[in-house]
Amino acid sequence: DAGVIQSPRHEVTEMGQEVTLRCKPISGHNSLFWYRQTMMRGLELLIYFNNNVPIDDSGMPEDRFSAKMPNASFSTLKIQPSEPRDSAVYFCASALDRAARGTQYFGPGTRLLVL
Amino acid sequence: SQQGEEDPQALSIQEGENATMNCSYKTSINNLQWYRQNSGRGLVHLILIRSNEREKHSGRLRVTLDTSKKSSSLLITASRAADTASYFCATGGNQGGKLIFGQGTELSVKP
Repeated sequence: DAGVIQSPRHEVTEMGQEVTLRCKPISGHNSLFWYRQTMMRGLELLIYFNNNVPIDDSGMPEDRFSAKMPNASFSTLKIQPSEPRDSAVYFCASALDRAARGTQYFGPGTRLLVL
Repeated sequence: SQQGEEDPQALSIQEGENATMNCSYKTSINNLQWYRQNSGRGLVHLILIRSNEREKHSGRLRVTLDTSKKSSSLLITASRAADTASYFCATGGNQGGKLIFGQGTELSVKP
C-alpha cells in the first residue's frame, strides 16, 4: 500500500490567495483527519471525517478554512483567503475504524508558507 | 483537557544508552499511543496501550501506563542514531473523544 498521499508537498503563496491541499487516504480506511502543526501550537486536529461525513470540525480555526470529502478516496482542505499566520505543516491521516481514538496513519504533510 | 504532556522536552544521549520519555495526562482515557516523527516527515505510530494494560513491549520499545497517576513512559533500549526523532504521546478519550497529542520530546542520539 502506498500509504496516505498528500499533495502538494510544498506550497508557497501570497496572502489573500486560495490554497487547496489534497489527501488520498489508505484504501479501505474509513476515517480521515486533517491536522496542522506549528512550533507554537504543536499538532492540532482541524477536522475529521468518518465514512466521508464530517464528524467534528471544532478545530477549524475560522470560516476561511473548509474541508470536503466527496468520496472515500479523496479529501481537500481549502484556505480562502490565506494569511501569513496559516503558515504551517498540514497533515492528513487515516484510520481503519470509525473510532477517532484508534491508530492513525499519517501522510508526509504539506508545508505551507504564506507570504 | 486530556492533552498529554511529555517530559523532558529534549533529551540527548549516546548511542547504546537507554532513553526514557514520560507523558502525563489529565482525564480518563481509553488508550494511550506513542508516535515518532522524523524531521520533515509525518508521524509514525509506534505502539498503543489500552487503559486496562500496564505494560507493553515492541522490539526495543517498552511502554508502561499508570492510570492512577495518569502517566505513561516510553523506554527505548540500546538506542541508535536512527532513533533520533521527536516522540509524541497521544491520548484517546473514553467518551468517544478524538486523539489529543502532546507537544513531544525531541530525542537526539549521538553516534
